[in-house]
Amino acid sequence: GAVVSQHPSWVICKSGTSVKIECRSLDFQATTMFWYRQFPKQSLMLMATSNEGSKATYEQGVEKDKFLINHASLTLSTLTVTSAHPEDSSFYICSARSPIRVQETQYFGPGTRLLVL
Amino acid sequence: DAKTTQPPSMDCAEGRAANLPCNHSTISGNEYVYWYRQIHSQGPQYIIHGLKNNETNEMASLIITEDRKSSTLILPHATLRDTAVYYCIVRDKAAGNKLTFGGGTRVLVKP
Repeated sequence: GAVVSQHPSWVICKSGTSVKIECRSLDFQATTMFWYRQFPKQSLMLMATSNEGSKATYEQGVEKDKFLINHASLTLSTLTVTSAHPEDSSFYICSARSPIRVQETQYFGPGTRLLVL
Repeated sequence: DAKTTQPPSMDCAEGRAANLPCNHSTISGNEYVYWYRQIHSQGPQYIIHGLKNNETNEMASLIITEDRKSSTLILPHATLRDTAVYYCIVRDKAAGNKLTFGGGTRVLVKP
């Protein structure tokens, strides 16, 4: 399957700071990328959808000013958690989709674990 | 909202086939069924997908009923490494083809 990477794999930060997470599609061009969040013992929840070169579409209840998404190229999307607080501690997972792949299958990154102290 | 129903958990014996059911009674005619799994602390891994024909790849087989209201994922020879949460997802065409995750089935493969 296709390869999607995330960096960093884990991060610990102080409350009030901002954290940037990168998501890269390594062997295909992703016109659409998705950001999910997963709290312990829960399922993945979609936060936003981003299309290359345009503004992200956020799911209901997700603050767009807090979770800044940039999809500047066909292989890179970034999620910035601004002014992070302990309740933002979670497992953040990105996913990438290519229009060329059969039925536009989505492939997921390994996730980034964020701990806000 | 997720459009599928799966049992919350199941055990299976190592070396035996694992049959994971999924109900998707409201599926539309052109919506695909996707299966992913998530091993602890990792991102979801794509397994297989199908529309109406049965599908097989190196990981698993997918059997879709003729009315498409349910499907079964078959892991032919389960290993301990197959212990994971398995998600059956109907991709939501009406919502831009987003993948919405439900609770999944927590599969424990026992020696």
